[in-house]
Amino acid sequence: DAKTTQPPSMDCAEGRAANLPCNHSTISGNEYVYWYRQIHSQGPQYIIHGLKNNETNEMASLIITEDRKSSTLILPHATLRDTAVYYCIGTAGGTSYGKLTFGQGTILTVHP
Amino acid sequence: KAGVTQTPRYLIKTRGQQVTLSCSPISGHRSVSWYQQTPGQGLQFLFEYFSETQRNKGNFPGRFSGRQFSNSRSEMNVSTLELGDSALYLCASSFQGRGEKLFFGSGTQLSVL
Repeated sequence: DAKTTQPPSMDCAEGRAANLPCNHSTISGNEYVYWYRQIHSQGPQYIIHGLKNNETNEMASLIITEDRKSSTLILPHATLRDTAVYYCIGTAGGTSYGKLTFGQGTILTVHP
Repeated sequence: KAGVTQTPRYLIKTRGQQVTLSCSPISGHRSVSWYQQTPGQGLQFLFEYFSETQRNKGNFPGRFSGRQFSNSRSEMNVSTLELGDSALYLCASSFQGRGEKLFFGSGTQLSVL
């Protein structure tokens, strides 16, 4: 799995967009970028994933740079319930057999 | 559709004992993987089962073992508990375990005294 680097913490005002960066300069061509988040005392929750195109779903948008060395997760209108640890993970998929390599993630704090 | 169910939610054991944790995956999911989460080491992969076979294993001692039943339900066992085994144990399921998104349970919080 690709090594990923994320800032340890970020703050965001409620109602504003939260932009969480992730560096994955060693990602290989067949590795997807996945984002999960973990709210205190719960299991991680899948947010979104992508290979090279930008992706959007009901939770967030994922912007991947053309060289695929970094990406940004965007929560368009952050709420207090978005306060969580956000993990960016690179994984090859086909042979992962249930394994995700979690880093330390980014603690996002959304304040009123 | 019910989510991933883990039981029990909390467990207190003493050193030297053994413990068995249970995980029921989402209906139709055949891959079940287990993770350990501690404040110091973060989330670490333990092992994955598919069709009752262990396909992948993390770097944990042999005291940690698991199994999967024909209905895809899984159990993990830790023998000869150590204080350092205190952690949140998480189970996740997916259809095939081949890179698709994982669905996690709420975990079992194990405390070893």
